Amino acid sequence: SAVISQKPSRDICQRGTSLTIQCQVDSQVTMMFWYRQQPGQSLTLIATANQGSEATYESGFVIDKFPISRPNLTFSTLTVSNMSPEDSSIYLCSVEGSGDNEKLFFGSGTQLSVL
Amino acid sequence: GNSVTQMEGPVTLSEEAFLTINCTYTATGYPSLFWYVQYPGEGLQLLLKATKADDKGSNKGFEATYRKETTSFHLEKGSVQVSDSAVYFCALVTFNDYKLSFGAGTTVTVRA
Repeated sequence: SAVISQKPSRDICQRGTSLTIQCQVDSQVTMMFWYRQQPGQSLTLIATANQGSEATYESGFVIDKFPISRPNLTFSTLTVSNMSPEDSSIYLCSVEGSGDNEKLFFGSGTQLSVL
Repeated sequence: GNSVTQMEGPVTLSEEAFLTINCTYTATGYPSLFWYVQYPGEGLQLLLKATKADDKGSNKGFEATYRKETTSFHLEKGSVQVSDSAVYFCALVTFNDYKLSFGAGTTVTVRA
């Protein structure tokens, strides 16, 4: 199984600022995924991040708003840019289990509140 | 595309009651099916999974059977405990996609 460390675990931010969320995995993984869980709703995939290439964004999400870095096989960051209260959500990093592409592991999430 | 329809909550039960959370899906391709659980204040955890028709996933007393004919993956537990209070998410992934599609989540509260 993969162990994922995600930080910060929570933050309260001012409107117009940006926050970078870090995701560290204890093993090398090809694909990393970033999800958003808005209050009272299910998880929505933001983007898929592969090492060495640009992230692939889902409909409704753009790179300018959610830039992603993937510098190596164990680390990724998601930035929430120019935040507004509508960005208040839990953001989750996810990876495939090593050698098991049917199982995805999740970080504990970053609870973001934008004032 | 892929989608998951999950029984709406919230669901409130007494301890030792029987729990069922319905989940149906549509998928392009042959999906693997999952139930994830989110306990209060914690991150998302995989509860159980099934990867082919008629497979039964089980964990912590929970079970779900992959029914291809009815495109369903209902979660059941025969006798719930207070510690089972959580939000439960049904999800699927298709082999050529790797992207999990989640249901809306069902909040379950078990009272002593």
